[in-house]
Amino acid sequence: ETGVTQSPTHLIKTRGQQVTLRCSSQSGHNTVSWYQQALGQGPQFIFQYYREEENGRGNFPPRFSGLQFPNYSSELNVNALELDDSALYLCASRLSGLNTDTQYFGPGTRLTVL
Amino acid sequence: DAKTTQPTSMDCAEGRAANLPCNHSTISGNEYVYWYRQIHSQGPQYIIHGLKNNETNEMASLIITEDRKSSTLILPHATLRDTAVYYCIVRPRDNTGNQFYFGTGTSLTVIP
Repeated sequence: ETGVTQSPTHLIKTRGQQVTLRCSSQSGHNTVSWYQQALGQGPQFIFQYYREEENGRGNFPPRFSGLQFPNYSSELNVNALELDDSALYLCASRLSGLNTDTQYFGPGTRLTVL
Repeated sequence: DAKTTQPTSMDCAEGRAANLPCNHSTISGNEYVYWYRQIHSQGPQYIIHGLKNNETNEMASLIITEDRKSSTLILPHATLRDTAVYYCIVRPRDNTGNQFYFGTGTSLTVIP
């Protein structure tokens, strides 16, 4: 158990819809990252939030957006869903500033776009 | 882009040591080597990390070559539950938005 939780576990949407995925970070962690993992591939970095500000972004379009709240929980929002958005979405939290900033991952949300 | 090269797959007999290699020939002086594993459809699990010295914890040992261009993750007594995809990652340790580049990892199968 990493202390990182995600909801929902599974989700089915249709093309063009919008989706919000949620992540609860490990207690005290101030940094959260989101990753997309397509079937058979390694996780791909979407973006990272540190103290409620986005401070890093991978090669994903603006329709992927996020929020981090004062309690360090976070959301990933995806607009105008496409079939290729079907994937496992992972969030990872860490405490920046320590000698080790190991990321701890949640179990993921499996999104299927039809 | 991932800065590491790993074999696509490996087998290991149960109870034997599993040695997973990783090449990171372009590693910078401030970059750490991290290892994670991912059991089917679960979130990646942290295993170990190191800078230049060999490291050991309750899960594994990490051996980093003197020139730091490669490393080996050692699971001393592999069990069936160690069957997973293992990712070797290099990244600097700082507070900025430097992400973990996972690559495709090594699929380890532990055979009874």
